[in-house]
Amino acid sequence: EAGVAQSPRYKIIEKRQSVAFWCNPISGHATLYWYQQILGQGPKLLIQFQNNGVVDDSQLPKDRFSAERLKGVDSTLKIQPAKLEDSAVYLCASSSGLLEQYFGPGTRLTVL
Amino acid sequence: AQSVTQLDSQVPVFEEAPVELRCNYSSSVSVYLFWYVQYPNQGLQLLLKYLSGSTLVKGINGFEAEFNKSQTSFHLRKPSVHISDTAEYFCAVSDQGNDMRFGAGTRLTVKP
Repeated sequence: EAGVAQSPRYKIIEKRQSVAFWCNPISGHATLYWYQQILGQGPKLLIQFQNNGVVDDSQLPKDRFSAERLKGVDSTLKIQPAKLEDSAVYLCASSSGLLEQYFGPGTRLTVL
Repeated sequence: AQSVTQLDSQVPVFEEAPVELRCNYSSSVSVYLFWYVQYPNQGLQLLLKYLSGSTLVKGINGFEAEFNKSQTSFHLRKPSVHISDTAEYFCAVSDQGNDMRFGAGTRLTVKP
């Protein structure tokens, strides 16, 4: 089966600009996660969707970050405006509800 | 909320030697425990997981981990490592499938 797809793989922007990341989960997986992984740290959950509803967004900086999963399939994570400290790898993962999460390759964001 | 501490940020080891990567967790409820591996420029891949039952869990690539409730530990072991095991390893804890928290990671470097 195809894995979790993410695009773009790399993105370089200047601070105060906007950026969007896209994720297509494994077919049939109802749960979708977005993680932020800062260099030298473990992934931190930003938001969790169950179908097209938000389960947990307690760690999402809502003043600048937003995410949507309108049709319960693919998802977009947006940052507007970006700050230097947003430089990180943004990982998308999906799950069928059997606890194992399958991760995409990530998008490496550099904010200058 | 649960948390994870990976006691070693870096572990260098020679090829064919045994290795142990240490992980301690804290939680007030029953938890599920995971080990993930991350190769350069890739997403995370599940090595093994503990949900219930036998405290010794076997995973892929010859890795195993032992759940020790009294010591709140979930150390990862491999009796003989290969060059290809060089990667970043993350321990994670989940509150019965929700709110996955990752440790900061341990970089395993296998030297010839």
